[in-house]
Amino acid sequence: AQSVAQPEDQVNVAEGNPLTVKCTYSVSGNPYLFWYVQYPNRGLQFLLKYITGDNLVKGSYGFEAEFNKSQTSFHLKKPSALVSDSALYFCAVRLRGFKTIFGAGTRLFVKA
Amino acid sequence: DAGVIQSPRHEVTEMGQEVTLRCKPISGHDYLFWYRQTMMRGLELLIYFNNNVPIDDSGMPEDRFSAKMPNASFSTLKIQPSEPRDSAVYFCASSLTANNEQFFGPGTRLTVL
Repeated sequence: AQSVAQPEDQVNVAEGNPLTVKCTYSVSGNPYLFWYVQYPNRGLQFLLKYITGDNLVKGSYGFEAEFNKSQTSFHLKKPSALVSDSALYFCAVRLRGFKTIFGAGTRLFVKA
Repeated sequence: DAGVIQSPRHEVTEMGQEVTLRCKPISGHDYLFWYRQTMMRGLELLIYFNNNVPIDDSGMPEDRFSAKMPNASFSTLKIQPSEPRDSAVYFCASSLTANNEQFFGPGTRLTVL
């Protein structure tokens, strides 16, 4: 079955330290991959996407993600975390037929 | 652009009542999506439209749920009759094309008593 997995329910990191939020996928064909962020009582906001080309994708607010085809992963990273980065992060993959499935989400806590 | 607009933002109703959620997508976007978010089940795609035509409604939980898109600037999600297990946050999202990112509305928090 086609799926997206975010293995960590929660990630804790100190402000100023690098952060990584993990995502792995299982889909047929070449995937279109996305990261979204959700702040409390808000809708999801787009951060970045991978469709083709360079495996390292840069997005909003200093976030980046690395596409690794052999490991079927698309981990979200940021070199230096901010307290304001604390939120719920979703990985998503667009399937054939244009349906998009989302991971369960990872809650990021950045401590000052 | 005001982004995706949803109304109402909050809805509290009693079991058995009809509920209608509304969405105005971003102008020019060809795709419109309805999602439901709960703690237990996460974010679930209910249905999506392309150029006002429903493409995939396999996520609609049961016949009590229906969605329409009478024109490019308006869509509704209706639940009739509503049940307490329908309580959730319902999001509408739109995208320019199938390959583009989705823009989400602020959501409608539905509580069915």
